[in-house]
Amino acid sequence: GQQVMQIPQYQHVQEGEDFTTYCNSSTTLSNIQWYKQRPGGHPVFLIQLVKSGEVKKQKRLTFQFGEAKKNSSLHITATQTTDVGTYFCAGRESSGYALNFGKGTSLLVTP
Amino acid sequence: EAGVVQSPRYKIIEKKQPVAFWCNPISGHNTLYWYLQNLGQGPELLIRYENEEAVDDSQLPKDRFSAERLKGVDSTLKIQPAELGDSAVYLCASSLTYNEQFFGPGTRLTVL
Repeated sequence: GQQVMQIPQYQHVQEGEDFTTYCNSSTTLSNIQWYKQRPGGHPVFLIQLVKSGEVKKQKRLTFQFGEAKKNSSLHITATQTTDVGTYFCAGRESSGYALNFGKGTSLLVTP
Repeated sequence: EAGVVQSPRYKIIEKKQPVAFWCNPISGHNTLYWYLQNLGQGPELLIRYENEEAVDDSQLPKDRFSAERLKGVDSTLKIQPAELGDSAVYLCASSLTYNEQFFGPGTRLTVL
């Protein structure tokens, strides 16, 4: 079955530094979604990428979908303490409806 | 607009006891999901409903887990009997299409 791998598992940065998390799938995806989960909270949808090579921006967050639709990245510019949480990618197979979540990257930002 | 509602928020039971979780999705959302989330892991799908039909229950351990969504609105997930390894957060989510999923706050289950 489809495997979605995320790296790194943890990242600790100083406020103002940049942060990137990477997501790789063993199979081609029809689309990929990103969610953020604050400590003690539940996953909250950030964005969905559908097209090969797609790049979307939300303020300081930049999301990319690879040309082969098997990998994706989330980049945060100039992190803030409010960015603390776990970022999950979730990929949907080309042949199905199931959304497979990665294990997430936990971001800690210290002032 | 109210979000996805789940109850209870926390549940502590002894092993071999039954337990049930309830979820009320966002109004109008036909698709409902139950996920299991272990500490340090991403959500893992247990079952997906389209209205009242369970269209994907391949990951549901059917020997002890059951779920229902009788009227295509709210849903109940049951475990009987619970085992120590069932301790986790059980998340319910709903969606209008196969795009954004809205998650509830989850039920944290502790099995002693």
